[in-house]
Amino acid sequence: QVRLQQWGAGLLKPSETLSLTCAVYGGSFSGHYWSWIRQPPGKGLEWIGEINHSGSTNYNPSLESRVTISVGMSKNQFSLKLSSVTAADTAVYYCARQRAMTTVTFFDYWGQGTLVTVSS
Amino acid sequence: QSVLTQPPSVSAAPGQKVTISCSGSSSNIGNNYISWYQQLPGTAPKLLIYENSKRPSGIPDRFSGSKSGTSATLGITGLQTGDEADYYCGTWDSSLSAYGFGGGTKLTVL
Repeated sequence: QVRLQQWGAGLLKPSETLSLTCAVYGGSFSGHYWSWIRQPPGKGLEWIGEINHSGSTNYNPSLESRVTISVGMSKNQFSLKLSSVTAADTAVYYCARQRAMTTVTFFDYWGQGTLVTVSS
Repeated sequence: QSVLTQPPSVSAAPGQKVTISCSGSSSNIGNNYISWYQQLPGTAPKLLIYENSKRPSGIPDRFSGSKSGTSATLGITGLQTGDEADYYCGTWDSSLSAYGFGGGTKLTVL
């Protein structure tokens, strides 16, 4: 059974950099894409970006200038960095396994979520 | 503003059937498969439907999905109080080069 466990700082000040890590247990890390998705309090889901096992990335154009997703030193981990955060970046952040083929994309396993609050 | 359009809320009585619509365009639903997610209060989203109409292992056949043109529909029969949740549709948007979700629909089982 695939399990995603995520962690990172939950309280940031404006202009700081958000940093989260997601570890994948069970299943194969290679052969899949891995994504970050966020959800502001009381609002809907927003896809942030994806990475595959070899480090190839694709980001949401709305966040691309501030986002970096990378594969961790441990090959079953990947990380999210979001720079210059503001209150608008306050959200629950999820990591997820992304199944991607030509016209098929969906998320079949999700992390537990991490609430990140940006406040001065 | 969400890439896909869903009704904010739907409701129905226990045992009844409900449908949730998801409307898009040729750059997303029209040319890509859609998926549906259930988010129970305080939990992470859970995959309900993928490739328009397929159910992952463990998802009961009370949940069904369909797609026609640039719209998709999630159907839930035999409603239970445990089905009260937010439901999201999602698919790749080729114009945006990004995955897009609907705004979510809150299901209330009266």
